Amino acid sequence: DIQMTQSPSSLSASVGDRVTITCQASQDVNTYLGWFQQKPGKPPRLLIYGASNLEMGVPSRFSGSGSGTDFTFTIASLQPEDFATYYCQQYDNLPLTFGGGTRVDLK
Amino acid sequence: QIQLVQSGAEVKKPGASVTVSCKTSGYTFTAYGVSWLRQAPGQGLEWMGWISPYSGNTNYAQKVQDRLNLNIDISTSTAFMELRSLRSDDTAVYYCSRDGGIAVSPTDYWGQGTLVTVSS
Repeated sequence: DIQMTQSPSSLSASVGDRVTITCQASQDVNTYLGWFQQKPGKPPRLLIYGASNLEMGVPSRFSGSGSGTDFTFTIASLQPEDFATYYCQQYDNLPLTFGGGTRVDLK
Repeated sequence: QIQLVQSGAEVKKPGASVTVSCKTSGYTFTAYGVSWLRQAPGQGLEWMGWISPYSGNTNYAQKVQDRLNLNIDISTSTAFMELRSLRSDDTAVYYCSRDGGIAVSPTDYWGQGTLVTVSS
């Protein structure tokens, strides 16, 4: 199975801050990497697919980069509605695997 | 619009079975796979298995492969997940999701989740 190591596990930030989350795969996943946002009591919402492609309707302050084993997710200017938990997911191979999550809360 | 609507919460005793349904709409059911995932309280996301409505092919996670059964009803565009021999550590929110396939797209649309509680 491909292991996804996500960091940090949590961070505190203020509205307007730039936030960066990293995800490292245990083997090459090409660009088959997605980023999800999850709020309490809700299912995950896909934000980024193909490592860097913005899902339709997702604000442009969200972005992703990377390929192979190292990936980065960035929120350019944190908004109040962005406080949530974020996960990376590889879909290069089954089983689909996720990073452990990054909880973003208010400083 | 694309929707996946799951059946309601369940409470089961250890050793019992549970079936969760996932009714899809807004897209061609046979054009995408359906993945099932779960999330234990306060924990991360765990993929359990995948089914192709087109072929009926399945792929199960090793951890649950002996207890999991995935099925579909093409006539109603509905997917089903049956988990047998339930244990307390199966307590989780279970999700179905539309799955474009390996090396194609991630799980892009998700059901609302079904809480399954296993307790004596």
